[in-house]
Amino acid sequence: EVQLVQSGAEVKKPGEPLKISCKASGYNFANNWIGWVRQMPGEGLEWMGIIYPGDSDTRYNPSFQGQVTISADRSITTAYLQWTSLKASDTAMYFCARQFGDYSDFDYWGQGTLVTVSS
Amino acid sequence: DIQMTQSPSSLSASVGDSVTITCRASQGISSWLAWYQQKPGKAPKSLIYAASSLQSGVPSRFSGSGSGTEFTLTISSLQPEDFATYYCQQYDTYPRTFGGGTKVEIK
Repeated sequence: EVQLVQSGAEVKKPGEPLKISCKASGYNFANNWIGWVRQMPGEGLEWMGIIYPGDSDTRYNPSFQGQVTISADRSITTAYLQWTSLKASDTAMYFCARQFGDYSDFDYWGQGTLVTVSS
Repeated sequence: DIQMTQSPSSLSASVGDSVTITCRASQGISSWLAWYQQKPGKAPKSLIYAASSLQSGVPSRFSGSGSGTEFTLTISSLQPEDFATYYCQQYDTYPRTFGGGTKVEIK
C-alpha cells in the first residue's frame, strides 16, 4: 500500500529555519517524483516544486524558487521541504504528493503539515 | 506559466442533482489534466487523470471530458459525501498549475 506520512505541525517564529518531511512507503521511492503543494488558510492549492529521488532532479515553481529547498534521501525514502528563514506569510498547510511518471497527476497525498509562523 | 481558470467558483446544489464544473487552460495541454476533490481539513484526493480516466475506487457518477484548453468535470446524481471543493490541475508543463477551485455546497 502506498503511503506518504508527513511530519507533525510546527509553530515557529519569523526568521527561524525549518525542515519538514514526507516519509514514503509501499512503492519504489527512487523512480517516482514527489512534489510539494502549499495551501494558505482559506485558499486554493499552489504547486511549489517536485523532485525525482533517483537522480535528485528538481523543478521549482518560479514563485517559490529561492524561497524553499526541496530534497530527498533515498536511503530512508523521505522527501523534505525546508526554509532557511521563515516569514509570517509562510503560514500554511503543506502537502507532499507522489507523481507517478513524467506525465502524471498526484495520485497519492500525504496528510499535510501545518506550519504556523508567528512572533 | 499555464493559467487554469475554473468556473464557477462556487455552486449550490441538492442531493440527486447533476453538476458540471469547467476548467480552461491558457494554452493547449492535450489531455494532461487532473481533477481533485478536497474536503475541509483533509488532503486532496485524485478523482480523474488524463482528462477522462477515473482513478481506481472513484464512483462512476464522476466523469471528465475535454482536451486542448477546455475541460469539464460532471457529477451526476450528487451524493451527500460529494459536497467539497474541486480543483483541476494541468500536468503538461512545469510548473504544474491548479485552478482556483470550485466549492460545491448543499442547497
